[in-house]
Amino acid sequence: SQTIHQWPATLVQPVGSPLSLECTVEGTSNPNLYWYRQAAGRGLQLLFYSVGIGQISSEVPQNLSASRPQDRQFILSSKKLLLSDSGFYLCAWSPLHGSLATNEKLFFGSGTQLSVL
Amino acid sequence: AQSVAQPEDQVNVAEGNPLTVKCTYSVSGNPYLFWYVQYPNRGLQFLLKYITGDNLVKGSYGFEAEFNKSQTSFHLKKPSALVSDSALYFCAVRSSGSNYQLIWGAGTKLIIKP
Repeated sequence: SQTIHQWPATLVQPVGSPLSLECTVEGTSNPNLYWYRQAAGRGLQLLFYSVGIGQISSEVPQNLSASRPQDRQFILSSKKLLLSDSGFYLCAWSPLHGSLATNEKLFFGSGTQLSVL
Repeated sequence: AQSVAQPEDQVNVAEGNPLTVKCTYSVSGNPYLFWYVQYPNRGLQFLLKYITGDNLVKGSYGFEAEFNKSQTSFHLKKPSALVSDSALYFCAVRSSGSNYQLIWGAGTKLIIKP
């Protein structure tokens, strides 16, 4: 069966420090991968998605970047964190390569609570 | 503009009573609609989806949702609420402008009281 791992679960970082959040998927190949941010336990904002190794699309201009060095690995990074980067970050995958087909659904990781102080 | 609205920030229901969590949408073309649930400090879990066919869709944990095209709604329902149903519920619609983008509602906190 497929599983998604996201770590760390919680992270407290000072302003101006770097960030690296990692997400890996097991039990599938060629997944679509996503990074979302959830502010204050509410709505989801899509940050990045990837349909393949090295292919990253950004939905919102920001202080963050994403990389996909391997098929099932998705990394969210920042060189210098801002206070406004605080939030709950969710990694997700969908099983259909190439497009979010009409009958597909997302599978989410357990999330990382990031606090920037 | 395409959007999803969940008009209630919070819904309170007594255990054993029926529950409804409301969702309305605005999207060009045919909508593909989803409900997800989020338990505290966890990722989201898929509940159900409407793509085509019967307007009443059945999903996980006894939930169902009714697609109403004329009212552009996709309300989530359950005949008898459980305390364990207490969670944050999100409605989402697939954007016709992007194959990768789901438009998400702001979420509704469901509280089931024993």
